[in-house]
Amino acid sequence: DGGITQSPKYLFRKEGQNVTLSCEQNLNHDAMYWYRQDPGQGLRLIYYSQIVNDFQKGDIAEGYSVSREKKESFPLTVTSAQKNPTAFYLCASSIAGGNREQFFGPGTRLTVL
Amino acid sequence: GENVEQHPSTLSVQEGDSAVIKCTYSDSASNYFPWYKQELGKRPQLIIDIRSNVGEKKDQRIAVTLNKTAKHFSLHITETQPEDSAVYFCAAPGGDTGTASKLTFGTGTRLQVTL
Repeated sequence: DGGITQSPKYLFRKEGQNVTLSCEQNLNHDAMYWYRQDPGQGLRLIYYSQIVNDFQKGDIAEGYSVSREKKESFPLTVTSAQKNPTAFYLCASSIAGGNREQFFGPGTRLTVL
Repeated sequence: GENVEQHPSTLSVQEGDSAVIKCTYSDSASNYFPWYKQELGKRPQLIIDIRSNVGEKKDQRIAVTLNKTAKHFSLHITETQPEDSAVYFCAAPGGDTGTASKLTFGTGTRLQVTL
């Protein structure tokens, strides 16, 4: 399972701290996405980026921030403003254009202590 | 925006039986309907998708049907096997995708295939 990687696999943070989740892809994909997965709620879109230096809010962007300075990288910062940050976070990428297959990373499980 | 509903949330079938998972969507402009499978502890992977210009698509034991008038689509798995046990997600893009494949996912169906 190469192509798109996330680190770390498990992450613990104290309340009030910001934390950054890494997502890297070597698939030469223009588009990248961040999802949050909670039990019984499926995958919910946090942010997505169609191209370098561009990104848009998804359905649950409050309390999160992203950057897209390089085509290969799309880091997600979970800020202290996110009220319920404990979740499984999945990064994905796709080629440009709508209605394309998304390739997912292995995910990061974030736990707020 | 798009709203996708998925049923049932859990499904248990005996090996060899068929399984059907149904999804409805709200945005009539949606024209692409993928299904992802997530095995326990693994990442979601695309297993089949259908575009709005066809009503059915098959790939070996898996098929997807689409009814645009009723705005629903279904995943059909025949001759189920233990390795089909996983969580399945449907998705739809809505009408505003730009150049990204922005998707709204259903809440998932946990399929258990028993021996």
